[in-house]
Amino acid sequence: DAGVTQSPTHLIKTRGQQVTLRCSPKSGHDTVSWYQQALGQGPQFIFQYYEEEERQRGNFPDRFSGHQFPNYSSELNVNALLLGDSALYLCASSEIAGGRNEQFFGPGTRLTVL
Amino acid sequence: GDSVTQMEGPVTLSEEAFLTINCTYTATGYPSLFWYVQYPGEGLQLLLKATKADDKGSNKGFEATYRKETTSFHLEKGSVQVSDSAVYFCALDRRGSARQLTFGSGTQLTVLP
Repeated sequence: DAGVTQSPTHLIKTRGQQVTLRCSPKSGHDTVSWYQQALGQGPQFIFQYYEEEERQRGNFPDRFSGHQFPNYSSELNVNALLLGDSALYLCASSEIAGGRNEQFFGPGTRLTVL
Repeated sequence: GDSVTQMEGPVTLSEEAFLTINCTYTATGYPSLFWYVQYPGEGLQLLLKATKADDKGSNKGFEATYRKETTSFHLEKGSVQVSDSAVYFCALDRRGSARQLTFGSGTQLTVLP
């Protein structure tokens, strides 16, 4: 059983560019959450998708947007990249419908903005 | 708003030493509490959890007890190993149903042989 997978592993962009990160949830999971982890910090919640809709959102600007597909996979898009967007982006999946309260994390995508 | 405060690191111990990493939280209602571990270059792995007051979560020799009266969830292990070297994160989920996790800033643990 594959766990949560993310792609790409690493990414280098320049300021002002746009980036798309991808996540496939653990088998049987219907919900995907995205977190940003700056170096030396704990992860910060960006947003959560369930039934192809954004259900919750953290304190992140509109430059951060996402999408969930019918197969439950998800994308995180960041527009107009800033140097401060450099971080490890983590995807987590869970099973809302089953009422379980555990999130499983992927290995992350390391984004560097130059 | 919700918040989690962890003891600042880094923490360096000798193998077989006793470990305590303090964690306190602020949240309304009855959050679920978690400890996650992050090994170098990897994502987060759930170490243990507790969903209600006085619950004790345990895994791989690590334990933490949900103390509502002191709003704490301290992580303990009786005898650490070199392989326990990692960053440990305390987290809460206020709605208790895999919604938004709020994390502490993490505690770096290094265990020396």
